[in-house]
Amino acid sequence: GAGVSQSPSNKVTEKGKDVELRCDPISGHTALYWYRQSLGQGLEFLIYFQGNSAPDKSGLPSDRFSAERTGGSVSTLTIQRTQQEDSAVYLCASSLMGGGGNNEQFFGPGTRLTVL
Amino acid sequence: DQQVKQNSPSLSVQEGRISILNCDYTNSMFDYFLWYKKYPAEGPTFLISISSIKDKNEDGRFTVFLNKSAKHLSLHIVPSQPGDSAVYFCAASRIGSSYKLIFGSGTRLLVRP
Repeated sequence: GAGVSQSPSNKVTEKGKDVELRCDPISGHTALYWYRQSLGQGLEFLIYFQGNSAPDKSGLPSDRFSAERTGGSVSTLTIQRTQQEDSAVYLCASSLMGGGGNNEQFFGPGTRLTVL
Repeated sequence: DQQVKQNSPSLSVQEGRISILNCDYTNSMFDYFLWYKKYPAEGPTFLISISSIKDKNEDGRFTVFLNKSAKHLSLHIVPSQPGDSAVYFCAASRIGSSYKLIFGSGTRLLVRP
């Protein structure tokens, strides 16, 4: 497919368990972003990867959250010891280049995480 | 502390009429503004944007207006079509971290046939 893909599409887990969410960006896109959308809220920036530069992790809400991007392509967002407030839709986006502005971010369909 | 606010959670308009979606922001360092459209079970898709050096940008049926003194922008859709029914998000980015989009909470638009 030509778009950003994410897996799984839905994830239900128990409080305290760890989860891994995967993002496959558009081929050739150098920048990758993670956002989350809690119920009734807008998208909240989590982390930004651009090429080989150090990622901007300033949006990660706690040290239970981490993300990596291997080989400049696929990214995994890991949430350790999940809490009920982590329940949200986690969205990944990629863009051809970084730097924002008119570098359009293309979004995947998201992973809906439910923590019981 | 919401830096980008969409105060109308929903809007309903008749097909063929104008839809006006509003967005307010508080951070004067924002220099780029975007509108995204989201259908259920899909990710947001980019619709239109505007730089802070402009006050209007038009693309077909979609026009975005920016009033910097009021820290307000709006999206006009003319004429509205049923396929425009979706959630619309306003987003902004600031100088120095332009990749980091700050989103509003969205407005659900329903265009009635």
